[in-house]
Amino acid sequence: GENVEQHPSTLSVQEGDSAVIKCTYSDSASNYFPWYKQELGKRPQLIIDIRSNVGEKKDQRIAVTLNKTAKHFSLHITETQPEDSAVYFCAARNTNAGKSTFGDGTTLTVKP
Amino acid sequence: NAGVMQNPRHLVRRRGQEARLRCSPMKGHSHVYWYRQLPEEGLKFMVYLQKENIIDESGMPKERFSAEFPKEGPSILRIQQVVRGDSAAYFCASSLTGDYSNQPQHFGDGTRLSIL
Repeated sequence: GENVEQHPSTLSVQEGDSAVIKCTYSDSASNYFPWYKQELGKRPQLIIDIRSNVGEKKDQRIAVTLNKTAKHFSLHITETQPEDSAVYFCAARNTNAGKSTFGDGTTLTVKP
Repeated sequence: NAGVMQNPRHLVRRRGQEARLRCSPMKGHSHVYWYRQLPEEGLKFMVYLQKENIIDESGMPKERFSAEFPKEGPSILRIQQVVRGDSAAYFCASSLTGDYSNQPQHFGDGTRLSIL
């Protein structure tokens, strides 16, 4: 089955700095990679996703890059703000299975 | 368009009792997924269902756990004879389609199950 590893497990940055979270996956058939943000006690919310036919996608301060050859993808947050503080999860999905395999999460703290 | 609705938000049970968790998918969504999350851990897949069918239950324990998604009504995750280790947050997600597409999954607010 699919195995997703996420690093780092915790990340602390100063407001205004950039934050980068990296994930690797094992199943070369995975072709959909969403990122979720989960605030304490709340639901995971989709913030950005990327499909395997695209190498990079950007949405305002958030971008995701995908390297299919190396089987890794990354989340980039620029100009971080305190409200970006949350746990971020990456996931990978195989087109032959509906389920997503999640990473263990990264706790991002943005210090004012 | 209402999001994924889960109830109850909090559920307390004593060891040996049964827990029933409900999930109503987003309108028009026919694919439901259940995940379990322990404190400070990631989301672990349990089961994937379509209407009246279990598609993948590879993440669900063989004993005491069952899931259904009837033709009418919400999806139910049922845990019989609960034990302390069942304490966790259980999240439901739904998508418009499942296989062979890349539709995102939308999550509910979860049910926090506590076992006394």
